[in-house]
Amino acid sequence: SAVISQKPSRDICQRGTSLTIQCQVDSQVTMMFWYRQQPGQSLTLIATANQGSEATYESGFVIDKFPISRPNLTFSTLTVSNMSPEDSSIYLCSAKSTSGSIDTGELFFGEGSRLTVL
Amino acid sequence: KQEVTQIPAALSVPEGENLVLNCSFTDSAIYNLQWFRQDPGKGLTSLLLIQSSQREQTSGRLNASLDKSSGRSTLYIAASQPGDSATYLCAVGLYKYIFGTGTRLKVLA
Repeated sequence: SAVISQKPSRDICQRGTSLTIQCQVDSQVTMMFWYRQQPGQSLTLIATANQGSEATYESGFVIDKFPISRPNLTFSTLTVSNMSPEDSSIYLCSAKSTSGSIDTGELFFGEGSRLTVL
Repeated sequence: KQEVTQIPAALSVPEGENLVLNCSFTDSAIYNLQWFRQDPGKGLTSLLLIQSSQREQTSGRLNASLDKSSGRSTLYIAASQPGDSATYLCAVGLYKYIFGTGTRLKVLA
């Protein structure tokens, strides 16, 4: 299994500012994803972070608002830009497990980053 | 577009009961299905993964089954304990996972 570390774990931000969340995996993984969990809701996929290329965004999410980087096979960042109170959520990084060259398909999560926008 | 629904949305049971959580998905093409639990304020813990070639998986008191043809999965929890209280989420996919609406479980001592 993969161990995923996210930081910050929580933050309180002012409207109009931007915040970058970092995600570090303890082993190389084929795929990394960013999800959002709004209060009392389930998880919604924001984008797939692609190593060495632009992220693939889901419907309703755009690169200008949620720029994502993935410089290597163990690290990714998500930036929440020009924040408003509606962006107050938990943002979760996840990674697809690999066993050698085999993609086992099992998904692992970090502890999440809880953002509150005032 | 894949949609994943979980029933019931919330469940409260006395300790010791056996219970079943349901997960339905609209696209019954071959998928992996994974069950997670989420404790309040925490991330997700993987419970069971059923790969496309499998019909069920077991871990301790947990058993998950998958019927791709009907687009359904069930998570069976035997002899429930207060420590099982959490939100249970199913996720369907292969390259990317779509999450269900969740079942909030409370096991009463």
